[in-house]
Amino acid sequence: DIQMTQSPSSLSASVGDRVIITCRASQSINRYVNWYQQKPGKAPKLLIYAASSLQSGFPTRFSGSGSGTDFTLTISSLQPEDFATYYCQQSYSLYTFGQGTKLEIK
Amino acid sequence: EVQLLEFGGGLVQPGGSLRLSCVASAFRFSNYALNWVRQAPGKGLEWVSGITGSGTTTYYADSAKGRFTISRDKSKNTVYLQMNRLRAEDTAVYYCARAETGGGNQFDYWGQGTLVTVSS
Repeated sequence: DIQMTQSPSSLSASVGDRVIITCRASQSINRYVNWYQQKPGKAPKLLIYAASSLQSGFPTRFSGSGSGTDFTLTISSLQPEDFATYYCQQSYSLYTFGQGTKLEIK
Repeated sequence: EVQLLEFGGGLVQPGGSLRLSCVASAFRFSNYALNWVRQAPGKGLEWVSGITGSGTTTYYADSAKGRFTISRDKSKNTVYLQMNRLRAEDTAVYYCARAETGGGNQFDYWGQGTLVTVSS
């Protein structure tokens, strides 16, 4: 089974900050990584797919990169609506989610 | 607009059974794999099971193998998750999610979730 190690597990940041969340796969998974945003009491929403493609409806301050085993989600300038929990997911061999990163207001 | 609506959650005793349903609309049902993902209270996301668009192939997480069965009915645009021998650790919100295979097999649409509570 492929494991996904996501860090940090929580992060305090301010509006306007640049934030980077990382995910490491236990084996090479090409670019089969997706990122999801989840707000309290709501279903997750697809944010980034295939490592770097931005899902329709999300602003361009969100970006993804990486291939092989190391991946990053970057938010270039945090906005109030971005405070949420973010999950990475590998879809190379079935599916595995990272543990999540809770992004909180500093 | 694509919609996935889950039904069937509730309170069940340990060792009991429950069947979840997910009704899909506004897309060609047989063209998409569908999955169940769960989230225990205050915890992260866990993929549980998936089924191909044709329904011929099914997949399970280790935690679900031998106890859960996924199936689909194209006449009803519905995917099911039959859960048997339920345990306290199966308590979670269960989401239905559509897999888009054109890019990275990502889950592009999710239902609102249905809560399953396993408790005596």
